[in-house]
Amino acid sequence: SQQGEEDPQALSIQEGENATMNCSYKTSINNLQWYRQNSGRGLVHLILIRSNEREKHSGRLRVTLDTSKKSSSLLITASRAADTASYFCATSSNYQLIWGAGTKLIIKP
Amino acid sequence: DAGVIQSPRHEVTEMGQEVTLRCKPISGHNSLFWYRQTMMRGLELLIYFNNNVPIDDSGMPEDRFSAKMPNASFSTLKIQPSEPRDSAVYFCASSSLLAGSYNEQFFGPGTRLTVL
Repeated sequence: SQQGEEDPQALSIQEGENATMNCSYKTSINNLQWYRQNSGRGLVHLILIRSNEREKHSGRLRVTLDTSKKSSSLLITASRAADTASYFCATSSNYQLIWGAGTKLIIKP
Repeated sequence: DAGVIQSPRHEVTEMGQEVTLRCKPISGHNSLFWYRQTMMRGLELLIYFNNNVPIDDSGMPEDRFSAKMPNASFSTLKIQPSEPRDSAVYFCASSSLLAGSYNEQFFGPGTRLTVL
């Protein structure tokens, strides 16, 4: 089953701009994770944020988590053509990892 | 570490044939997941194992699908008989379950299955 919903479903921006993707979920969680999938490849883990954290950074990535609104956002700063991919959020609780439908990000050169 | 290994990478078969997909998880991981991904349905969890035991197989589409994990370093997903609607990319992933929640999952490269 899928509980996460990414928003938007697709996003197209110019190289150098910032890209923001959102994820909403329905039940309480232990952590929330973001993954990237390049076309034709497996998913790659980007970042994990625990339920007691509000913000986390990793390189050009910034993730926020608002447990009161049951939502998270992924910000990619100074986007590059190589960031073109699909991005998925996944929530972890009670021995399950539940996936959203993904946001397709296209970075135009 | 070689990461999660899946074989074959591509499989083309005819309707009615048996298909077996294989996965070798990362050494030391105690959880293994089988996913199916299609354009129409996105990423679907089929089954997951913890310490070689199937924990949740509610995502397995029907009796034609079966999965086994005879030991900590090997798992198979079998489709018998295969149908054209089974065409998809099948991913295997492994992870470690700690303190009641999952850490990151490591995905294999996937098996692209085409059933004619």
